[in-house]
Amino acid sequence: AQSVTQPDIHITVSEGASLELRCNYSYGATPYLFWYVQSPGQGLQLLLKYFSGDTLVQGIKGFEAEFKRSQSSFNLRKPSVHWSDAAEYFCAVGPTAAGNKLTFGGGTRVLVKP
Amino acid sequence: DAGITQSPRYKITETGRQVTLMCHQTWSHSYMFWYRQDLGHGLRLIYYSAAADITDKGEVPDGYVVSRSKTENFPLTLESATRSQTSVYFCASSALAGGTDTQYFGPGTRLTVL
Repeated sequence: AQSVTQPDIHITVSEGASLELRCNYSYGATPYLFWYVQSPGQGLQLLLKYFSGDTLVQGIKGFEAEFKRSQSSFNLRKPSVHWSDAAEYFCAVGPTAAGNKLTFGGGTRVLVKP
Repeated sequence: DAGITQSPRYKITETGRQVTLMCHQTWSHSYMFWYRQDLGHGLRLIYYSAAADITDKGEVPDGYVVSRSKTENFPLTLESATRSQTSVYFCASSALAGGTDTQYFGPGTRLTVL
């Protein structure tokens, strides 16, 4: 069965600094990969997704992610963090072998220091 | 308003009571999902539906019942609430198969079972 690992539970970053969130997956075929963001008290919003093609994917809010098949990774990056980027970030992979569903990672909570 | 809505946003109930959480989407998306979010577990799929009158179990279905008589509605019922069902519940929808398409999330329902 596929799985998604986000090794960092919490990350603290200073405003203006760069951010990288790690995501590793286990999947038997070419996966569909997603990054979602959850601001406090809200639902999840899609940041970006990768299905095929260029392995560097641009998303909303200045985020990008790179798919590296050899490392089974799909890390999320932002060159300069804003205070509004404080949120929880979830990596997800699909579809599952059992059906048309996503498997989510445990999430990484990002705190932004002024 | 267009989008996906959940009601109630907050609910406190007692052990043994029946509770129904409502989810409504205005996009006519075929697929709908119910997740629960708990600290240390990320998002876990409870049930999903590929179309009206078609539902299937997710990762943690025990103690929950769903129905989907209309495309736009996907209520989740806790038949006899337990303290372990205290959680934040998210509904989501997608136009295409859930593992390959963007899922759009509602704002969540925070349920407390006393």
